[in-house]
Amino acid sequence: EAEVAQSPRYKITEKSQAVAFWCDPISGHATLYWYRQILGQGPELLVQFQDESVVDDSQLPKDRFSAERLKGVDSTLKIQPAELGDSAMYLCASSLRGRMEHNEQFFGPGTRLTVL
Amino acid sequence: KQEVTQIPAALSVPEGENLVLNCSFTDSAIYNLQWFRQDPGKGLTSLLLIQSSQREQTSGRLNASLDKSSGRSTLYIAASQPGDSATYLCAVTVYFGTGTSLTVIP
Repeated sequence: EAEVAQSPRYKITEKSQAVAFWCDPISGHATLYWYRQILGQGPELLVQFQDESVVDDSQLPKDRFSAERLKGVDSTLKIQPAELGDSAMYLCASSLRGRMEHNEQFFGPGTRLTVL
Repeated sequence: KQEVTQIPAALSVPEGENLVLNCSFTDSAIYNLQWFRQDPGKGLTSLLLIQSSQREQTSGRLNASLDKSSGRSTLYIAASQPGDSATYLCAVTVYFGTGTSLTVIP
């Protein structure tokens, strides 16, 4: 069964260090999403890609966060420098291009980030 | 901006009971609404997607309804089991509620 892959599953880093997360969406899915989920809350969208183009990054803290999807397939989310408040679960999801009402999102297992 | 609210935040029921989880949203101009399940420390598992033109969707013991005019959706779980214990989240496109934490007591 096709799945969204993410790595690493867990990351512990010290504040001011750089961290990077990787996501490989389900094959053929044109839309890719990065979310951040703080414990006890719902996921919050950081950035949405359609193929290699950014559709929405309005909630991405651009002074320290960056995201790319160079070939329109896999994607990397980077934080530099990491801050204590960045500790959270980082989730990647993908969906088919299709009609908006049919766009079912499928999530990966997430990367749990702890900043010390 | 779309605001999504889920009530209650937590729910505890005995095994075998039928239950309803609620989701409300502020902007009725939606494409779809999706219900997810999340186990502790895990990613989200899609349960049901309701398109804006649909009133309900069913999958096994789960039934989700959508009333766009009132900005509400419900997830009905029949004959609950301990394995149903998890957090249930609803999403209107990319906007998520904070979830309902369900515990089914054996």
